[in-house]
Amino acid sequence: EPEVTQTPSHQVTQMGQEVILRCVPISNHLYFYWYRQILGQKVEFLVSFYNNEISEKSEIFDDQFSVERPDGSNFTLKIRSTKLEDSAMYFCASTTGYYGYTFGSGTRLTVV
Amino acid sequence: AQSVTQLDSQVPVFEEAPVELRCNYSSSVSVYLFWYVQYPNQGLQLLLKYLSGSTLVKGINGFEAEFNKSQTSFHLRKPSVHISDTAEYFCAVSENNAGNMLTFGGGTRLMVKP
Repeated sequence: EPEVTQTPSHQVTQMGQEVILRCVPISNHLYFYWYRQILGQKVEFLVSFYNNEISEKSEIFDDQFSVERPDGSNFTLKIRSTKLEDSAMYFCASTTGYYGYTFGSGTRLTVV
Repeated sequence: AQSVTQLDSQVPVFEEAPVELRCNYSSSVSVYLFWYVQYPNQGLQLLLKYLSGSTLVKGINGFEAEFNKSQTSFHLRKPSVHISDTAEYFCAVSENNAGNMLTFGGGTRLMVKP
């Protein structure tokens, strides 16, 4: 079964550093998403991406965050200057637009 | 905008007993509904989804859920749980248009005891 692949599985970074989280969505999917889950809390929507542009974003997705689809396969989330409160599990997801969403296994980001 | 409420943060149950995890949603438009399971230190795995048609939906691992439009509920059930079902379960909703984001409930931790 096709999978959404996320790398790295765990990233530790110092406060103020830039991080890039990477995702390879399922190849025929059209919509791409980033969600995050702070430890012990619910999964929160960050941003959706369709047709090479952001289609929707949450209040969490401020100017520190950006997304890119630099080629035909990768989908990245960049955090420019990490804060302690950015520590969370970040999930990438993709969908054809119907019939459900496939999530990756997540990247655990720890900001120290 | 939608919202999802999972009424129970934790549900302890003995092995082989039945279980129901409750989910209520709020939306001004028609929705798709989903249940995801998250095992410790793992990602989100789709258990089942309701898109249209029969209101009783069967998923993986013996789980099923029933969509009740009048009560705006989508409760998850399993007639006999196993130790391996111990996990966090998330109900989620999206507007029934292509590509809309998912809104998740707060999760229910199912703890199956021997």
